[in-house]
Amino acid sequence: GAGVSQSPSNKVTEKGKDVELRCDPISGHTALYWYRQSLGQGLEFLIYFQGNSAPDKSGLPSDRFSAERTGGSVSTLTIQRTQQEDSAVYLCASSLSRTNEKLFFGSGTQLSVL
Amino acid sequence: QKEVEQNSGPLSVPEGAIASLNCTYSDRVSQSFFWYRQYSGKSPELIMSIYSNGDKEDGRFTAQLNKASQYVSLLIRDSQPSDSATYLCAVNRDGGYNKLIFGAGTRLAVHP
Repeated sequence: GAGVSQSPSNKVTEKGKDVELRCDPISGHTALYWYRQSLGQGLEFLIYFQGNSAPDKSGLPSDRFSAERTGGSVSTLTIQRTQQEDSAVYLCASSLSRTNEKLFFGSGTQLSVL
Repeated sequence: QKEVEQNSGPLSVPEGAIASLNCTYSDRVSQSFFWYRQYSGKSPELIMSIYSNGDKEDGRFTAQLNKASQYVSLLIRDSQPSDSATYLCAVNRDGGYNKLIFGAGTRLAVHP
């Protein structure tokens, strides 16, 4: 695709429900990242994929968070039993390769947990 | 102490002036430094990267890095209203992949 695509753009859910956020990176980009941006905060690294593997998932805040990537392309970030503190913009980014430092961000998913 | 610190602003400058944005970082082993621009409600966009001490110029933008003092700055010459955005400073400690540590950003407002 022309850019990094994320869906949904907005998600409102009730506390305790599970949510899935989807990212479709730029075609051919082998590295994929998830970041989170809370109100008034900087972007926070969550997880890094190289191909379908996640060599660094150190930023996932708790075991309620998980992510996978299939076919070296689409990635899904799943949050189980959502809490109000999970409310944030979840941004996906991709780069051509692991060492290429030009990151392209998607427009994000605004998650609101009521 | 936050790992990457920026003044939240807003920094207000008149059109045509130089806007100076500053960032300090705590980890001396940081390797790469970036400035991202984020318009309200939009995704961050990379505008400058810098890796060695000194200045790096790209059009109206100049990034400055001083590793001894652990600061990075971004100068925007001839500021335009379209430059009004939040500017995010980011550092990469580890190298190897894009595990960036971001500051909270400085909001810049350029008024006509």
